[in-house]
Amino acid sequence: DAMVIQNPRYQVTQFGKPVTLSCSQTLNHNVMYWYQQKSSQAPKLLFHYYDKDFNNEADTPDNFQSRRPNTSFCFLDIRSPGLGDAAMYLCATSRDLAGAGTDTQYFGPGTRLTVL
Amino acid sequence: GESVGLHLPTLSVQEGDNSIINCAYSNSASDYFIWYKQESGKGPQFIIDIRSNMDKRQGQRVTVLLNKTVKHLSLQIAATQPGDSAVYFCAEIPTSGTYKYIFGTGTRLKVLA
Repeated sequence: DAMVIQNPRYQVTQFGKPVTLSCSQTLNHNVMYWYQQKSSQAPKLLFHYYDKDFNNEADTPDNFQSRRPNTSFCFLDIRSPGLGDAAMYLCATSRDLAGAGTDTQYFGPGTRLTVL
Repeated sequence: GESVGLHLPTLSVQEGDNSIINCAYSNSASDYFIWYKQESGKGPQFIIDIRSNMDKRQGQRVTVLLNKTVKHLSLQIAATQPGDSAVYFCAEIPTSGTYKYIFGTGTRLKVLA
């Protein structure tokens, strides 16, 4: 029944060691989002894909990259994780973009990233 | 700037009582609002939504009220249960053409036995 799946659920990496987080969806939604959420804070949007079109938020560090090889999968790559990148990373999907009238975002369970 | 904020960061409620979680928004042009529930270590879970052409919407044990005059949104949970303990976020979706949700800061609901 899982609709938005994230792997792994917990990821430990070393300072500066590249890491990739995975998200997949069974909803066939056009839009996939990546959020960063730190403790006791609201999710912060990093970027999203509308189909194959990548849209980066202005304040997302270059250290964060993303790939969407097909409709179902989207990856978050952190090229050189710093201690400040330790957080919960949430993937979400929506059928279309918000403002287009179709836009409820459904979230995955998240990946908790620890940076040593 | 535009923002969505919550009045109470933590709300403690006795089991069986009703809970009311509030949210203020500042963008009067916003069209769509969502309440999410986030349990510890999990992703936000959609609870209920409401469009700006409505004042009230009911789900199972939950009701969302929208007061556009004062730009206020509330989530009411009837007969609060221990499983309702979580952080609740409101999200505002502007009609300006942006895809970006504006999340509130979150309210932690604690259900007391």
